[in-house]
Amino acid sequence: KAGVTQTPRYLIKTRGQQVTLSCSPISGHRSVSWYQQTPGQGLQFLFEYFSETQRNKGNFPGRFSGRQFSNSRSEMNVSTLELGDSALYLCASSQSSGGAKVQFFGPGTRLTVL
Amino acid sequence: GQQLNQSPQSMFIQEGEDVSMNCTSSSIFNTWLWYKQDPGEGPVLLIALYKAGELTSNGRLTAQFGITRKDSFLNISASIPSDVGIYFCAGQLGSGGSNYKLTFGKGTLLTVNP
Repeated sequence: KAGVTQTPRYLIKTRGQQVTLSCSPISGHRSVSWYQQTPGQGLQFLFEYFSETQRNKGNFPGRFSGRQFSNSRSEMNVSTLELGDSALYLCASSQSSGGAKVQFFGPGTRLTVL
Repeated sequence: GQQLNQSPQSMFIQEGEDVSMNCTSSSIFNTWLWYKQDPGEGPVLLIALYKAGELTSNGRLTAQFGITRKDSFLNISASIPSDVGIYFCAGQLGSGGSNYKLTFGKGTLLTVNP
Protein backbone atom coordinates (compact mmCIF):
# COMPACT_ATOMS: atom_id res chain seq x y z
CA LYS A 1 0.00 0.00 0.00
CA ALA A 2 1.46 3.36 -0.99
CA GLY A 3 2.26 5.79 1.79
CA VAL A 4 1.25 9.40 2.23
CA THR A 5 2.44 11.53 -0.67
CA GLN A 6 2.99 15.26 -0.66
CA THR A 7 3.65 17.62 -3.53
CA PRO A 8 5.70 19.53 -4.20
CA ARG A 9 8.65 18.40 -2.07
CA TYR A 10 10.37 21.77 -2.25
CA LEU A 11 9.04 25.25 -2.85
CA ILE A 12 10.55 28.71 -2.85
CA LYS A 13 8.30 31.75 -2.62
CA THR A 14 8.66 35.43 -1.81
CA ARG A 15 6.96 37.42 0.90
CA GLY A 16 3.40 38.36 0.09
CA GLN A 17 2.80 35.47 -2.27
CA GLN A 18 0.47 32.60 -1.58
CA VAL A 19 1.13 28.88 -1.80
CA THR A 20 -0.89 25.68 -2.06
CA LEU A 21 0.44 22.35 -0.85
CA SER A 22 -1.09 18.99 -1.67
CA CYS A 23 -1.40 15.75 0.26
CA SER A 24 -2.69 12.35 -0.82
CA PRO A 25 -3.42 10.08 2.13
CA ILE A 26 -2.90 6.35 2.35
CA SER A 27 -5.66 4.55 0.47
CA GLY A 28 -8.64 4.03 2.76
CA HIS A 29 -7.59 6.73 5.21
CA ARG A 30 -10.21 9.43 5.60
CA SER A 31 -8.59 11.71 8.15
CA VAL A 32 -5.84 14.12 7.12
CA SER A 33 -3.91 16.35 9.51
CA TRP A 34 -1.36 19.05 8.75
CA TYR A 35 1.63 20.05 10.88
CA GLN A 36 4.26 22.75 10.62
CA GLN A 37 7.80 21.89 11.67
CA THR A 38 10.39 24.56 12.43
CA PRO A 39 13.66 24.37 14.37
CA GLY A 40 12.39 26.79 16.98
CA GLN A 41 8.83 25.60 17.56
CA GLY A 42 9.13 21.94 16.62
CA LEU A 43 6.07 20.15 15.27
CA GLN A 44 2.91 22.20 15.60
CA PHE A 45 -0.61 21.09 14.69
CA LEU A 46 -2.32 23.16 11.99
CA PHE A 47 -5.66 21.46 11.32
CA GLU A 48 -7.40 18.16 10.70
CA TYR A 49 -9.93 17.21 8.04
CA PHE A 50 -12.32 14.30 7.98
CA SER A 51 -15.00 13.72 5.34
CA GLU A 52 -14.29 17.08 3.75
CA THR A 53 -14.91 18.91 7.04
CA GLN A 54 -12.39 20.65 9.24
CA ARG A 55 -12.75 19.00 12.63
CA ASN A 56 -9.98 20.65 14.58
CA LYS A 57 -7.73 23.66 14.21
CA GLY A 58 -4.49 24.67 15.85
CA ASN A 59 -3.36 28.13 16.88
CA PHE A 60 -2.36 29.54 13.54
CA PRO A 61 -3.57 32.76 11.89
CA GLY A 62 -6.32 32.77 9.31
CA ARG A 63 -3.73 33.00 6.52
CA PHE A 64 -3.42 29.24 6.94
CA SER A 65 -6.35 27.35 5.49
CA GLY A 66 -7.10 23.96 4.09
CA ARG A 67 -9.66 21.78 2.46
CA GLN A 68 -10.34 18.14 1.77
CA PHE A 69 -11.85 16.61 -1.32
CA SER A 70 -14.26 13.72 -1.66
CA ASN A 71 -11.38 11.34 -2.42
CA SER A 72 -9.76 12.37 0.91
CA ARG A 73 -6.96 14.27 -0.78
CA SER A 74 -6.22 17.50 1.02
CA GLU A 75 -4.67 20.84 0.24
CA MET A 76 -3.43 23.57 2.51
CA ASN A 77 -3.05 27.18 1.49
CA VAL A 78 -0.98 29.92 3.01
CA SER A 79 -1.74 33.44 1.85
CA THR A 80 0.36 36.58 2.20
CA LEU A 81 3.49 34.61 3.01
CA GLU A 82 5.84 35.85 5.72
CA LEU A 83 9.48 34.95 6.30
CA GLY A 84 8.45 33.05 9.42
CA ASP A 85 6.32 30.69 7.34
CA SER A 86 9.48 28.98 6.13
CA ALA A 87 9.13 25.45 7.45
CA LEU A 88 8.64 21.81 6.66
CA TYR A 89 4.90 21.20 6.24
CA LEU A 90 3.89 17.67 7.05
CA CYS A 91 0.69 15.88 6.24
CA ALA A 92 -0.45 12.81 8.17
CA SER A 93 -3.31 10.44 7.49
CA SER A 94 -5.18 7.99 9.68
CA GLN A 95 -7.91 5.45 9.10
CA SER A 96 -10.85 7.23 10.68
CA SER A 97 -11.82 9.74 13.25
CA GLY A 98 -13.14 7.27 15.75
CA GLY A 99 -11.02 6.59 18.79
CA ALA A 100 -7.28 7.04 18.89
CA LYS A 101 -5.97 6.40 15.42
CA VAL A 102 -2.31 6.29 14.54
CA GLN A 103 -1.20 8.97 12.11
CA PHE A 104 1.22 8.18 9.31
CA PHE A 105 3.28 11.02 7.90
CA GLY A 106 4.29 11.98 4.41
CA PRO A 107 7.78 13.22 3.51
CA GLY A 108 6.76 16.85 3.81
CA THR A 109 6.99 19.96 1.68
CA ARG A 110 9.95 22.21 2.43
CA LEU A 111 8.75 25.81 1.98
CA THR A 112 11.29 28.61 1.87
CA VAL A 113 10.03 32.19 1.92
CA LEU A 114 12.48 34.82 0.71
CA GLY B 1 -2.02 24.22 26.22
CA GLN B 2 -0.52 20.79 26.66
CA GLN B 3 3.24 20.50 26.52
CA LEU B 4 5.53 17.51 26.33
CA ASN B 5 8.97 17.63 27.91
CA GLN B 6 11.28 15.28 26.09
CA SER B 7 14.75 14.45 27.34
CA PRO B 8 17.55 14.32 26.68
CA GLN B 9 17.76 16.86 23.85
CA SER B 10 20.69 15.01 22.31
CA MET B 11 22.78 11.92 22.88
CA PHE B 12 26.16 10.81 21.57
CA ILE B 13 26.77 7.11 22.04
CA GLN B 14 28.99 4.32 20.80
CA GLU B 15 27.66 1.60 18.59
CA GLY B 16 26.41 -1.28 20.68
CA GLU B 17 25.32 0.84 23.63
CA ASP B 18 21.76 1.01 24.91
CA VAL B 19 19.80 4.26 24.77
CA SER B 20 16.94 5.58 26.85
CA MET B 21 14.81 8.68 26.32
CA ASN B 22 11.58 9.83 27.91
CA CYS B 23 8.70 12.24 27.73
CA THR B 24 6.63 13.76 30.48
CA SER B 25 3.44 15.76 30.25
CA SER B 26 1.58 18.16 32.49
CA SER B 27 -1.67 16.45 31.53
CA ILE B 28 -2.99 13.04 30.60
CA PHE B 29 -2.83 11.40 27.19
CA ASN B 30 -4.70 8.27 26.14
CA THR B 31 -2.22 7.32 23.44
CA TRP B 32 1.55 7.70 23.29
CA LEU B 33 3.46 7.39 20.05
CA TRP B 34 7.15 7.33 19.24
CA TYR B 35 8.39 8.49 15.85
CA LYS B 36 11.82 8.70 14.21
CA GLN B 37 12.67 11.35 11.66
CA ASP B 38 15.58 11.29 9.24
CA PRO B 39 16.85 14.52 7.66
CA GLY B 40 14.51 15.80 4.95
CA GLU B 41 11.87 13.19 5.63
CA GLY B 42 8.66 12.93 7.59
CA PRO B 43 8.42 11.16 10.95
CA VAL B 44 8.12 7.39 10.77
CA LEU B 45 6.09 5.58 13.40
CA LEU B 46 8.12 3.28 15.63
CA ILE B 47 5.77 2.24 18.42
CA ALA B 48 2.19 3.07 19.46
CA LEU B 49 0.99 2.64 23.05
CA TYR B 50 -2.72 2.60 23.86
CA LYS B 51 -3.02 1.56 27.48
CA ALA B 52 -1.55 2.84 30.74
CA GLY B 53 1.21 0.51 31.90
CA GLU B 54 1.58 -1.06 28.46
CA LEU B 55 5.07 -2.23 27.51
CA THR B 56 5.60 -2.82 23.80
CA SER B 57 8.61 -3.95 21.80
CA ASN B 58 9.49 -3.56 18.14
CA GLY B 59 12.77 -5.33 17.48
CA ARG B 60 15.47 -3.57 19.49
CA LEU B 61 13.01 -0.87 20.55
CA THR B 62 10.94 -1.01 23.72
CA ALA B 63 8.51 1.64 24.89
CA GLN B 64 6.24 1.97 27.89
CA PHE B 65 3.10 3.96 28.60
CA GLY B 66 3.35 5.33 32.12
CA ILE B 67 0.81 4.34 34.73
CA THR B 68 -0.11 7.97 35.39
CA ARG B 69 -0.71 8.50 31.62
CA LYS B 70 1.59 11.50 31.84
CA ASP B 71 4.81 9.90 30.70
CA SER B 72 6.43 7.42 28.36
CA PHE B 73 9.91 6.15 27.67
CA LEU B 74 11.68 4.60 24.71
CA ASN B 75 14.67 2.29 24.96
CA ILE B 76 16.91 1.23 22.10
CA SER B 77 19.16 -1.72 22.76
CA ALA B 78 22.47 -2.50 21.06
CA SER B 79 22.45 0.67 18.95
CA ILE B 80 23.67 0.61 15.36
CA PRO B 81 24.72 3.46 13.04
CA SER B 82 21.35 3.52 11.25
CA ASP B 83 19.66 4.43 14.55
CA VAL B 84 20.94 7.97 13.99
CA GLY B 85 18.12 10.48 13.72
CA ILE B 86 15.67 12.53 15.73
CA TYR B 87 13.24 10.67 17.94
CA PHE B 88 9.94 12.29 18.85
CA CYS B 89 7.36 11.35 21.40
CA ALA B 90 3.77 12.37 20.73
CA GLY B 91 0.65 12.26 22.83
CA GLN B 92 -2.93 12.05 21.69
CA LEU B 93 -6.09 12.35 23.71
CA GLY B 94 -8.29 10.58 21.19
CA SER B 95 -11.91 9.51 21.70
CA GLY B 96 -13.75 12.17 19.82
CA GLY B 97 -14.14 15.89 19.50
CA SER B 98 -11.02 17.93 19.07
CA ASN B 99 -8.71 15.34 20.53
CA TYR B 100 -7.09 13.73 17.52
CA LYS B 101 -4.24 16.14 17.13
CA LEU B 102 -0.79 15.00 18.13
CA THR B 103 1.18 17.01 20.66
CA PHE B 104 4.89 16.48 20.08
CA GLY B 105 7.97 16.65 22.24
CA LYS B 106 10.92 18.71 20.98
CA GLY B 107 12.82 15.59 19.98
CA THR B 108 15.98 13.74 20.96
CA LEU B 109 18.84 13.87 18.47
CA LEU B 110 20.70 10.57 18.54
CA THR B 111 24.22 10.22 17.17
CA VAL B 112 25.84 6.79 17.07
CA ASN B 113 29.60 6.56 16.65
CA PRO B 114 30.63 3.38 14.84
